Amino acid sequence: SYVLTQAPSVSVAPGQTARITCGGNNIGSKRVHWYQQKPGQAPVLVVYDDSDRPSGIPERFSGSNSGYTATLTISRVEAGDGADYYCQVWDGNSDHWVFGGGTKLTVL
Amino acid sequence: EVQLLESGGDLVQPGGSLRPSCAASGFTFSSYTMTWVRQAPGKGLEWVSAISGSGGSTYYADSVKGRFTISRDNSKNTLYLQMNSLRAEDTAIYFCAKVSRGYSYADFDHWGQGTLVTVSS
Repeated sequence: SYVLTQAPSVSVAPGQTARITCGGNNIGSKRVHWYQQKPGQAPVLVVYDDSDRPSGIPERFSGSNSGYTATLTISRVEAGDGADYYCQVWDGNSDHWVFGGGTKLTVL
Repeated sequence: EVQLLESGGDLVQPGGSLRPSCAASGFTFSSYTMTWVRQAPGKGLEWVSAISGSGGSTYYADSVKGRFTISRDNSKNTLYLQMNSLRAEDTAIYFCAKVSRGYSYADFDHWGQGTLVTVSS
């Protein structure tokens, strides 16, 4: 089955740029979605179809996808951005949705 | 406003059964694929199952196939997950989510707050 690999944790100072990566075999051929989850809350969609933002999500959140890596970029990081972030794709070979293991973003 | 409200989570013994549900409002329920995603304590998200808008197509993760059955009642705008032969490793918060568009590769644009299922003797 298709596997998505994320680093367990990323740390960044306020005002800096955070980059959270998601690795997968030829992931560039798939549409990648990103979710933010804060403790005790449901996930929230922050980027869909590699780089589109739902309404209400700040422009500071952006995404890219090419080759074997998709990236969620958070510019001018704020304390409130601290959360777990998950990437997700659809695996057409197995008819399964797949999540990455998640990355915990710590704002220093 | 889209709202998804799960209920039916409980403490159940290993080998037991449970049927959580998800009441939907704020959108044309029958037009959208719906899905269940779970999260074990302290762990990441795991996709569990999905069902097309008509109910004619269903999908299951390998970990639950043959034990769980997803269904929906479009007249009641409600999604269900029949969980049989429960194991300790099924302990998790179960979220229902709406698939945003009519494509398999679409995202989950709205989520409920989840219902806790605990499997323990």
